[in-house]
Amino acid sequence: KAGVTQTPRYLIKTRGQQVTLSCSPISGHRSVSWYQQTPGQGLQFLFEYFSETQRNKGNFPGRFSGRQFSNSRSEMNVSTLELGDSALYLCASSDGTELYNSPLHFGNGTRLTVT
Amino acid sequence: AQSVTQLGSHVSVSEGALVLLRCNYSSSVPPYLFWYVQYPNQGLQLLLKYTTGATLVKGINGFEAEFKKSETSFHLTKPSAHMSDAAEYFCAVTEGAGTALIFGKGTTLSVSS
Repeated sequence: KAGVTQTPRYLIKTRGQQVTLSCSPISGHRSVSWYQQTPGQGLQFLFEYFSETQRNKGNFPGRFSGRQFSNSRSEMNVSTLELGDSALYLCASSDGTELYNSPLHFGNGTRLTVT
Repeated sequence: AQSVTQLGSHVSVSEGALVLLRCNYSSSVPPYLFWYVQYPNQGLQLLLKYTTGATLVKGINGFEAEFKKSETSFHLTKPSAHMSDAAEYFCAVTEGAGTALIFGKGTTLSVSS
């Protein structure tokens, strides 16, 4: 099976712009989660989608949003970019059952740099 | 609220030496615990997980971890380090039917020859 695919791998944006990141989960996986990784804050949960519905959400401002399509592919959008949004954004997929049964499989991430 | 503490942001060992990476958790209910590894410019790969049952969990690449409820710990060990083990290691926790992982800050493992 192909793994979790994230595009693009690298992005450079300017403050105030918006950005959309894409994630294709492992075939058959219906849950997609997004995490932000920074040197200061570490890995933080953004949100999780299951069957096109947001099922869980972390503590991030409304500028961060996402959606999931009927084929389970997911996109994440960040509007009005700030310098602090520079991070590695990781997407992970699972079959949607409890994490102790179906652990997350991560993609290689999208490195976003905001200048 | 759940939290995970990884003691030591950086651990250095010699090739062939014992690897010990520490993880302590704080949870009000029995937790489910995970160890992930991240190689440079890559995502996270699951090493092992603890759910219920046997407290000594074996994972991939020769790693294992022991769940100790009395110490609220889930330390990761490997008897003999290899150069290819150099990476960043993350301990994570979730509760019950949770769909989100709470990660520790990570420990970078360096292996010297």
